[in-house]
Amino acid sequence: SQKIEQNSEALNIQEGKTATLTCNYTNYSPAYLQWYRQDPGRGPVFLLLIRENEKEKRKERLKVTFDTTLKQSLFHITASQPADSATYLCALPNSGGYQKVTFGTGTKLQVIP
Amino acid sequence: NAGVTQTPKFQVLKTGQSMTLQCAQDMNHEYMSWYRQDPGMGLRLIHYSVGAGITDQGEVPNGYNVSRSTTEDFPLRLLSAAPSQTSVYFCASSYWGDGYYEQYFGPGTRLTVT
Repeated sequence: SQKIEQNSEALNIQEGKTATLTCNYTNYSPAYLQWYRQDPGRGPVFLLLIRENEKEKRKERLKVTFDTTLKQSLFHITASQPADSATYLCALPNSGGYQKVTFGTGTKLQVIP
Repeated sequence: NAGVTQTPKFQVLKTGQSMTLQCAQDMNHEYMSWYRQDPGMGLRLIHYSVGAGITDQGEVPNGYNVSRSTTEDFPLRLLSAAPSQTSVYFCASSYWGDGYYEQYFGPGTRLTVT
């Protein structure tokens, strides 16, 4: 089965700076990779998807890269704001069926004013 | 649309008791799933369903049962609660879009088993 590693330590960053979160996976390379945001006491919310044939994807202040050789995705938030403080999860579909998804443990981001 | 709804929000059970966590979605999504989230473990898939009448096991199915009689509802049953089932439970629904599944999560049920 797929294993996903996200930095379990919280990431503290000053407001206005760029936050970079890492997602590393082992085993097979997935057809796509997703990033979700989770606020305390709430369910995850889908943010971005990047496919295996895409190097980079952008959405407003968010940017995701996907390196299938390194088996790594980077998630960037530019011009970070305190409202960006949350836990960010990466998720990959299983090779046995895309409806089965493996989630990373998430990285908690704290943006300091 | 209400999206994905879950009830109850909080529940305390004694060891050995049974209960059903309710999940409903109004987006006409074919696929629904149940996850549990524990500190340091991330979200783990319990059971999932690809349509009414079709269910399958996920990563951690033991101690849980599901059924899917309608597209909208996907209840999760704990037959005999154990302290190891203390967790936050999330229900999600999704549809097959442009070559991928995008999941919509409910607000979660926080379950404590004493």
